[in-house]
Amino acid sequence: QQQVKQSPQSLIVQKGGISIINCAYENTAFDYFPWYQQFPGKGPALLIAIRPDVSEKKEGRFTISFNKSAKQFSLHIMDSQPGDSATYFCAAPAGETSGSRLTFGEGTQLTVNP
Amino acid sequence: DAGVIQSPRHEVTEMGQEVTLRCKPISGHDYLFWYRQTMMRGLELLIYFNNNVPIDDSGMPEDRFSAKMPNASFSTLKIQPSEPRDSAVYFCASSFRRSGNQPQHFGDGTRLSIL
Repeated sequence: QQQVKQSPQSLIVQKGGISIINCAYENTAFDYFPWYQQFPGKGPALLIAIRPDVSEKKEGRFTISFNKSAKQFSLHIMDSQPGDSATYFCAAPAGETSGSRLTFGEGTQLTVNP
Repeated sequence: DAGVIQSPRHEVTEMGQEVTLRCKPISGHDYLFWYRQTMMRGLELLIYFNNNVPIDDSGMPEDRFSAKMPNASFSTLKIQPSEPRDSAVYFCASSFRRSGNQPQHFGDGTRLSIL
């Protein structure tokens, strides 16, 4: 069973600042690590994902950094905006051959103050 | 493009009643997942299907929970009898596995309250 540890549980950042959320995983057999964003009253939505053959992936203000040897990956939100206030989940494949099942981290509630 | 559709959005019922949650996945998707979200336990996978066949139901909390997928466009999660501790937000998600992993697309959930 794949375990995913996410920190911090909550994060408050000023507008324009950098938000950093970290995750650690156990099983190294799989190759897909997504981040999901969830707004109140909505389901989680895919934000950005990375495969471990690269150490970093950037999409706009969002960047995933991946450290395969340490079994860690992190989400960086540059120039954080109040509209980024949401709950963020990292995920990792749950260690089965299908690769489609994900184990989610506990979530980080991000608040960006104006 | 229609996303994953769940119904009802909210359900309030008394302990002991049967509850049925419904999900319509995205057309063409071959995986369907049922999750439960609570403050205490986060987002938990209950069961998932591939091509309408249940693959892993190890996350189903107990025999009171059952899930079916009679066809590619419909799935149900049933709780009978319901208990207050079943109160949570239940999400359905679907995905399409081509080469490599594909993202799961979530519905907006059913907020269930058992009194």
